[in-house]
Amino acid sequence: GAGVSQSPSNKVTEKGKDVELRCDPISGHTALYWYRQSLGQGLEFLIYFQGNSAPDKSGLPSDRFSAERTGGSVSTLTIQRTQQEDSAVYLCASSLATFMRATNEKLFFGSGTQLSVL
Amino acid sequence: RKEVEQDPGPFNVPEGATVAFNCTYSNSASQSFFWYRQDCRKEPKLLMSVYSSGNEDGRFTAQLNRASQYISLLIRDSKLSDSATYLCVVNQAGTALIFGKGTTLSVSS
Repeated sequence: GAGVSQSPSNKVTEKGKDVELRCDPISGHTALYWYRQSLGQGLEFLIYFQGNSAPDKSGLPSDRFSAERTGGSVSTLTIQRTQQEDSAVYLCASSLATFMRATNEKLFFGSGTQLSVL
Repeated sequence: RKEVEQDPGPFNVPEGATVAFNCTYSNSASQSFFWYRQDCRKEPKLLMSVYSSGNEDGRFTAQLNRASQYISLLIRDSKLSDSATYLCVVNQAGTALIFGKGTTLSVSS
């Protein structure tokens, strides 16, 4: 498709289980971002991939969170041993931005994955 | 101090009103500035970039004050369809965009 695609759109899991969230960015976009948004809150930065550079993981809240981006395209965000406070909408975005050039940073967001941890 | 701060509102205004939102950022090395709009239960979408000289897009005017590290968004002649949350966004080159928590606008008839 033409936009950023995320799957699943909704995920309900039990506390302690692992989950994987998938993001398929717009073709050709070198930058990929994961954010999360709790109900009524702002976007919390999680991780940022830019081309072949090492990802910026500074926003990951704990070592239970990890993400990878294979072949510079699809990304998977993994949350291990989920907790109730992990419940949120996880948003993926991509952009054409090239490293060290911030002027082309228009982000295109996917519709998000609503994660509910029971 | 948070990197990007906004007055959460809500701002409740009648149709036709002019409303202004401000945003402050803490990192003086920030280079790019944007306003995004987020409708309820939807993903954010770019409203406009903010340039040093200020810029206008129809009823929307964005201003940047680097010395004071704040950004503003002015909406003239508010429409019902302007009701949304407006997110202030900043970044340095090569780093992720940092979002403010947003300012909620509600325009009523």
